[in-house]
Amino acid sequence: DTTVKQNPRYKLARVGKPVNLICSQTMNHDTMYWYQKKPNQAPKLLLFYYDKILNREADTFEKFQSSRPNNSFCSLYIGSAGLEYSAMYLCASSSGTGDTQYFGPGTRLLVL
Amino acid sequence: GDSVTQTEGPVTVSESESLIINCTYSATSIAYPNLFWYVRYPGEGLQLLLKVITAGQKGSSRGFEATYNKETTSFHLQKASVQESDSAVYYCALGETANYGNEKITFGAGTKLTIKP
Repeated sequence: DTTVKQNPRYKLARVGKPVNLICSQTMNHDTMYWYQKKPNQAPKLLLFYYDKILNREADTFEKFQSSRPNNSFCSLYIGSAGLEYSAMYLCASSSGTGDTQYFGPGTRLLVL
Repeated sequence: GDSVTQTEGPVTVSESESLIINCTYSATSIAYPNLFWYVRYPGEGLQLLLKVITAGQKGSSRGFEATYNKETTSFHLQKASVQESDSAVYYCALGETANYGNEKITFGAGTKLTIKP
């Protein structure tokens, strides 16, 4: 099973409120990634977890937090949502050096 | 930083016609990045279509082909005869190895392809 699951598929949030998105995989992959995708733009890497080590991209360092309580689950957390956070959020996972990344279906977040 | 530029969509092609989606890349942090084409079919997640890690080599999958051209920094996607089931969004991407051996991927903006029956 090469499925990456994301919950919820759609999320409506209010400006200033927190948002928590969930991703899971059962492939025992050591690395899990979060990307942000806005319309007509490329998916942009936000952060990734290698095992228990979190790596956040420099330009989004302070905007997103993440946790990985175990190998299978990884969350993306926004402490205070702004309108600019409205986007599709894609989770992916991979295992080993140079391995293919497997993507989930995405969570569409709308902030009002 | 790294960047990928591809044919701006939407692109519409008639069934059984040939297709080319252009892709050029700029890799500032690595001389020989891995190159990919990903595809997202309607209602599904992104999935790898093909990958090439060696300059000069060609990758192929599902009738699609792309050749890693280091001289022109290009990785164009081609298919000789498209089918209606090829309608999807196609993303060109490059990858560089991160600290842990995993891959950090930089995507292009995607090209939405519609095949007319």
